Amino acid sequence: GQQLNQSPQSMFIQEGEDVSMNCTSSSIFNTWLWYKQDPGEGPVLLIALYKAGELTSNGRLTAQFGITRKDSFLNISASIPSDVGIYFCAGTSGSRLTFGEGTQLTVNP
Amino acid sequence: DSGVTQTPKHLITATGQRVTLRCSPRSGDLSVYWYQQSLDQGLQFLIQYYNGEERAKGNILERFSAQQFPDLHSELNLSSLELGDSALYFCASSDRTGSPLHFGNGTRLTVT
Repeated sequence: GQQLNQSPQSMFIQEGEDVSMNCTSSSIFNTWLWYKQDPGEGPVLLIALYKAGELTSNGRLTAQFGITRKDSFLNISASIPSDVGIYFCAGTSGSRLTFGEGTQLTVNP
Repeated sequence: DSGVTQTPKHLITATGQRVTLRCSPRSGDLSVYWYQQSLDQGLQFLIQYYNGEERAKGNILERFSAQQFPDLHSELNLSSLELGDSALYFCASSDRTGSPLHFGNGTRLTVT
């Protein structure tokens, strides 16, 4: 089946630093999604990408849909303590949605 | 607020028991998805319904079943519960298959 390789698995950074995480696959996806999950809550959609090459920002977050349609990255600039959480990528191909394993982000004040 | 409502928020039960988790999708969404998230793990897809019909099945155990009702709410039934079934169970909805999912806040199931 389709698999998404999300990296890194975890990150420990200082407040104010920039963060980058990515997802890759051997399969082509039509849509890339990035979610954030706070402890004890459901994942919240951050950014949705619909076209190869698309670069979209949401505040301090920027995500790109790779040209090959097999990868995507998420950048967070000037991190703050509330950025802590698990970030999931997800890709859709037809009707199938596949999630990455998540990146656990810890921000030290 | 995603607009997806899940009840109950917490559930504690004993092994061998049966429970029902309930989900109300966002207004207008026809598709409902169920996911299981065990401690420190990712989201495991269980099952999807679209407008009352089963659309896709993931790693759902035979002891688990789900349905979507005419008013589009969905229920996930877990029976013969085992300790390993303890997890967060999320419901998500979308307006159509392939659209971004919007998640509820989950039901935390503890089996003792």
